[in-house]
Amino acid sequence: DAGVIQSPRHEVTEMGQEVTLRCKPISGHDYLFWYRQTMMRGLELLIYFNNNVPIDDSGMPEDRFSAKMPNASFSTLKIQPSEPRDSAVYFCASSSTGPNQPQHFGDGTRLSIL
Amino acid sequence: QKEVEQNSGPLSVPEGAIASLNCTYSDRGSQSFFWYRQYSGKSPELIMFIYSNGDKEDGRFTAQLNKASQYVSLLIRDSQPSDSATYLCAARDNYGQNFVFGPGTRLSVLP
Repeated sequence: DAGVIQSPRHEVTEMGQEVTLRCKPISGHDYLFWYRQTMMRGLELLIYFNNNVPIDDSGMPEDRFSAKMPNASFSTLKIQPSEPRDSAVYFCASSSTGPNQPQHFGDGTRLSIL
Repeated sequence: QKEVEQNSGPLSVPEGAIASLNCTYSDRGSQSFFWYRQYSGKSPELIMFIYSNGDKEDGRFTAQLNKASQYVSLLIRDSQPSDSATYLCAARDNYGQNFVFGPGTRLSVLP
């Protein structure tokens, strides 16, 4: 079975540009999570969706960040305009409903803002 | 605020020894607990989960849960250099919604 698929794997862009990260969750999973990981701050939850509806976006750092989930098989995380401090690895994860269901992570997108 | 705490390490153990990784959580509503291993430059991968008090064994790994003390641990027997990684503890609440991750413990197994 295919796991969580993220694209692109690496993104290098200049400050001020728009960045769009994409995620395809595991089929049948109804929760989708976006995380950011840095050495300094560790793994931070940005936002999560249940049945395509955003449930908690309190981790989104500021208005420059936005996330959408137009259908059960696709989500995007957008940064506009990007800044050097946004450089990090961004992970998408999905899970099924139920307290005993684990999260499954994608391979991540390594983002570098110059 | 729901929190999961771990000693950041690094925890260094010699090859063949038992590595003991600990985790505490603040939310008594947490029902299930997950241990993830993350190698440098890779994504977290699930090792095992536990939701009942007591021990759960899977190969060289044993997870232990004590809900009264709000404490979870992971024991790695016969540690190998390939076990060197960061280990993340996560808690999921009774409603099966959000996960709360700890900061991770870096383990180094010395040959």
